Amino acid sequence: DADVTQTPRNRITKTGKRIMLECSQTKGHDRMYWYRQDPGLGLQLIYYSFDVKDINKGEISDGYSVSRQAQAKFSLSLESAIPNQTALYFCATSDSGLAGADTQYFGPGTRLTVL
Amino acid sequence: ELKVEQNPLFLSMQEGKNYTIYCNYSTTSDRLYWYRQDPGKSLESLFVLLSNGAVKQEGRLMASLDTKARLSTLHITAAVHDLSATYFCAVGKDSNYQLIWGAGTKLIIKP
Repeated sequence: DADVTQTPRNRITKTGKRIMLECSQTKGHDRMYWYRQDPGLGLQLIYYSFDVKDINKGEISDGYSVSRQAQAKFSLSLESAIPNQTALYFCATSDSGLAGADTQYFGPGTRLTVL
Repeated sequence: ELKVEQNPLFLSMQEGKNYTIYCNYSTTSDRLYWYRQDPGKSLESLFVLLSNGAVKQEGRLMASLDTKARLSTLHITAAVHDLSATYFCAVGKDSNYQLIWGAGTKLIIKP
């Protein structure tokens, strides 16, 4: 089984709808991240969480919210979806215990289309 | 503000050739990562470089870091078709472990 899973894998929705993307991990990592990827661009950080009680905004948090329900679960919500939120969304995890390395491990991605 | 630039953004090459992808960044950082992404797939960690002069190699890929020049290179030796992918570098922004990503280099290796 995959260490980092995302649901749904694909979603088509309409402008103004509320959407939730979910991420679960079995790696035992304390840190979790949400990114979006647009064609031809790198990844942009939306939100990150270092533990259940520590949630931080990333570069592009406007229009998004998150919830860290447990160490293993981190959800991303679009309260009122708009077409320019059409993108590929990735969840990632990392382990703060690996001194300095903090390599991030990615889920398979969710392709979101907002019509 | 930390900015990360990769070049080239697109590279088409023949099998058996050598080439280098460059990753420049604008402010001091103590961490640099290289990732690979196959079309429609997730990102896979290749290397993490944590100190000046660090060099890591796996198979036909070798990554190095020069923190004084704020430059990392990903060198491909005797390229094979299976290395076709998009390669990203990412640089640690600060002690909060945020990463700033380059735009990626799309590498196509022709048989």
